[in-house]
Amino acid sequence: EAGVTQFPSHSVIEKGQTVTLRCDPISGHDNLYWYRRVMGKEIKFLLHFVKESKQDESGMPNNRFLAERTGGTYSTLKVQPAELEDSGVYFCASSQHKLAGVGTGELFFGEGSRLTVL
Amino acid sequence: AQTVTQSQPEMSVQEAETVTLSCTYDTSENNYYLFWYKQPPSRQMILVIRQEAYKQQNATENRFSVNFQKAAKSFSLKISDSQLGDTAMYFCAFMKLYSGNTPLVFGKGTRLSVIA
Repeated sequence: EAGVTQFPSHSVIEKGQTVTLRCDPISGHDNLYWYRRVMGKEIKFLLHFVKESKQDESGMPNNRFLAERTGGTYSTLKVQPAELEDSGVYFCASSQHKLAGVGTGELFFGEGSRLTVL
Repeated sequence: AQTVTQSQPEMSVQEAETVTLSCTYDTSENNYYLFWYKQPPSRQMILVIRQEAYKQQNATENRFSVNFQKAAKSFSLKISDSQLGDTAMYFCAFMKLYSGNTPLVFGKGTRLSVIA
């Protein structure tokens, strides 16, 4: 079974440009999460989808970030226009059940998309 | 708000030895989960072990075990008989126990190197 896949693995863009990150969750997983890790800091929650609906977007830093999950399958996270502080690794995770944890809907993570804004 | 602190940015251990990674957290919640996740170089982050706060018994998964001290809000990970494949970033994480969905709160991570 395919795991969570993220694309691209690494993106280098200039300040002011636009980047779109994509996440394909494990098939059948209703819950999809986006997290971000800035170098040397904690992994921070960005938002959570249940199917195509945004359950919680309290972690989205500002309106330059737009996440979508049309049809409840894959998700995209667009940053427009990108700023230097947006650099980091963006993780996507999916789970099947409401409560995340081993045996009750473990979160499965992708490898992350590294974004570098110059 | 909950916070998770991992005070060891980097650690190293000789193959076959035992190493302990520390994690402390701050919360006013009484019911929650604690996790250790592992991310090997260029690989996905995977769950290593989970502890429910209402369980007094420390969780174990093969060579991985935790020392959960609820009163002290401490949750350390012990890796026994370290193997080269244990080289990875290790993240401690917290989650409130709730009927809905709550996000994980992560620490900054500890980079563990296992040396042959």
